[in-house]
Amino acid sequence: QLQLQESGPGLVKPSETLSLTCSVSGGSISSTKNYWGWIRQPPGKGLEWIGSIYYNGRTDYNPSLQSRLTISLDTSKNQLSLKLSSVTAADTALYNCASGTYYYASGFADAFDIWGQGTMVAVSS
Amino acid sequence: EIVLTQSPGTLSLSPGERATLSCRASQSVSSDWLAWYQQKPGQAPRLLIYGASSRATGIPDRFSGSGSVTDFTLTISRLEPEDFAVYYCQQYGSSPVTFGQGTRLEIK
Repeated sequence: QLQLQESGPGLVKPSETLSLTCSVSGGSISSTKNYWGWIRQPPGKGLEWIGSIYYNGRTDYNPSLQSRLTISLDTSKNQLSLKLSSVTAADTALYNCASGTYYYASGFADAFDIWGQGTMVAVSS
Repeated sequence: EIVLTQSPGTLSLSPGERATLSCRASQSVSSDWLAWYQQKPGQAPRLLIYGASSRATGIPDRFSGSGSVTDFTLTISRLEPEDFAVYYCQQYGSSPVTFGQGTRLEIK
């Protein structure tokens, strides 16, 4: 059974870069059967899709974050990572990684059915 | 970007009652790729429904999804105490993936 675990610093200073990792167990991050995503949730608010990444490293980003965002895979560690630059207080949120089924033949990515518990990040000086 | 509007914002019902949650899209959801998630306090979202009407693994059959194009519904036939939570719809047929703002289902 696939399991995801996020990690990263709980506090980041304004204008700096937020860096998070998601460790994957129970499956390979290089598998063509899965794809991976990051979703965030500001305190007391709703869900926001940040971006997704596929087995071959292809990415799909939320346009509202694209200019500051990098999502990548580290196959040697079976992890995915998120880097968000020039953060402000508006980036304070619970950050979740998630996985869904990827249909390689059609290139279709299904809903996120496996979620990590999330890691809280506060942006403050 | 497809905007999803959920209604009502809050729904107050009693255990045993039927719950009907709505999700309306600003434009057609490609191939009805619409999902519903349940989120309880301090927990990650849990996938309930995908493809507008398919139940995810392990989801009780009191949960059902329906609808197409721009209008979608999540129905909980008989509410159990553990069903009181926040529910989100999500479209994943086109980029960017978007979520609705959520419906809070509370005990009356």
